[in-house]
Amino acid sequence: RKEVEQDPGPFNVPEGATVAFNCTYSNSASQSFFWYRQDCRKEPKLLMSVYSSGNEDGRFTAQLNRASQYISLLIRDSKLSDSATYLCVVNMGLTGGGNKLTFGTGTQLKVEL
Amino acid sequence: DVKVTQSSRYLVKRTGEKVFLECVQDMDHENMFWYRQDPGLGLRLIYFSYDVKMKEKGDIPEGYSVSREKKERFSLILESASTNQTSMYLCASSLAGGVYEQYFGPGTRLTVT
Repeated sequence: RKEVEQDPGPFNVPEGATVAFNCTYSNSASQSFFWYRQDCRKEPKLLMSVYSSGNEDGRFTAQLNRASQYISLLIRDSKLSDSATYLCVVNMGLTGGGNKLTFGTGTQLKVEL
Repeated sequence: DVKVTQSSRYLVKRTGEKVFLECVQDMDHENMFWYRQDPGLGLRLIYFSYDVKMKEKGDIPEGYSVSREKKERFSLILESASTNQTSMYLCASSLAGGVYEQYFGPGTRLTVT
């Protein structure tokens, strides 16, 4: 089983739609969780951290379910500019003093007119 | 703004050559990372460093070595390049600890022929 698993998509949605991605992780000791966004031929950038209580940033909502070991990302009112690959990222804990992140393979979103 | 720069955007090398990939960050970050990104496999950690002259193996260190002589610079070395090392290489840096964002460089597309 992969440490972090995502549906690769692509998710093709019309502009204005609401879309949700899930991600599962295997290590119950995982400590922190993130969503990164990666545009085509660009580097990944942090979209948002995911907190136990859930958190919202504008049109984006992230949720964590520790019991079922998954995190989710909800995008409301999709824009063309939301088209990208969304990477689920899990911190498995400190190792040797560093913070080692494990990345999912990403879910591709295409927002269409 | 945090800036992570990588020495080359594109690089073509021959099998058996020694290859150096350089990464520099300007935010005094303690942690630095080297990943490779391949279609369907996502980002995989090669090596990371949490302090000058300190290094730890990531998930796929075979065929690679690293050097960190100064805090701002982290080098990835391919001792004898092989065709299966053709990939996108991404460097990242972060503050120490488990919950800080990793900032990525623009990546180096390495082709080994």
